[in-house]
Amino acid sequence: DTAVSQTPKYLVTQMGNDKSIKCEQNLGHDTMYWYKQDSKKFLKIMFSYNNKELIINETVPNRFSPKSPDKAHLNLHINSLELGDSAVYFCASSQAGGINEQFFGPGTRLTVL
Amino acid sequence: GESVGLHLPTLSVQEGDNSIINCAYSNSASDYFIWYKQESGKGPQFIIDIRSNMDKRQGQRVTVLLNKTVKHLSLQIAATQPGDSAVYFCAESSGANNLFFGTGTRLTVIP
Repeated sequence: DTAVSQTPKYLVTQMGNDKSIKCEQNLGHDTMYWYKQDSKKFLKIMFSYNNKELIINETVPNRFSPKSPDKAHLNLHINSLELGDSAVYFCASSQAGGINEQFFGPGTRLTVL
Repeated sequence: GESVGLHLPTLSVQEGDNSIINCAYSNSASDYFIWYKQESGKGPQFIIDIRSNMDKRQGQRVTVLLNKTVKHLSLQIAATQPGDSAVYFCAESSGANNLFFGTGTRLTVIP
């Protein structure tokens, strides 16, 4: 069974559109994350949620809005997509209570045309 | 913010040889470090971690060394195999569940 899953795996869309990426984890973890990986493979954290509450929000445009309906899900909504949003987005989860290993999803490759 | 970097962006090794991937970090308050492996088209996968109260930790065919004096971290892979070909990331944290990743090193194993 997949521990951290994301949908869709690939997303191609036009500039200006609004899109969402879904993430689910079945590990019982309390903390979930979104990362962005650029074309040079650099991984940067975007958001961190603990028990449905935002605990980290790095310098991300407010066009990006995470939503956590429950602690097993953390979805990423992106409004008014721009060319520079093209990247691979990874969801991850970990146990709460200090730093722990993070388990990553397979990634969603977003291409904005 | 914290800065984590790698000395070598690419590394090629012969199958069976040992590999060493290096990482430098700048935040002396970092107390937890992880190495991740990322294969093409997949998400990062945990390899091994180490906390700042240790200077060495061993796993299966992998060893992580931590030198806090010079803020340096290394990953050693013994008897490198073709399946080890991937991009390797070090990541560090000073708590609060925030991990900061280095730029990655691409390891290529030559059969």
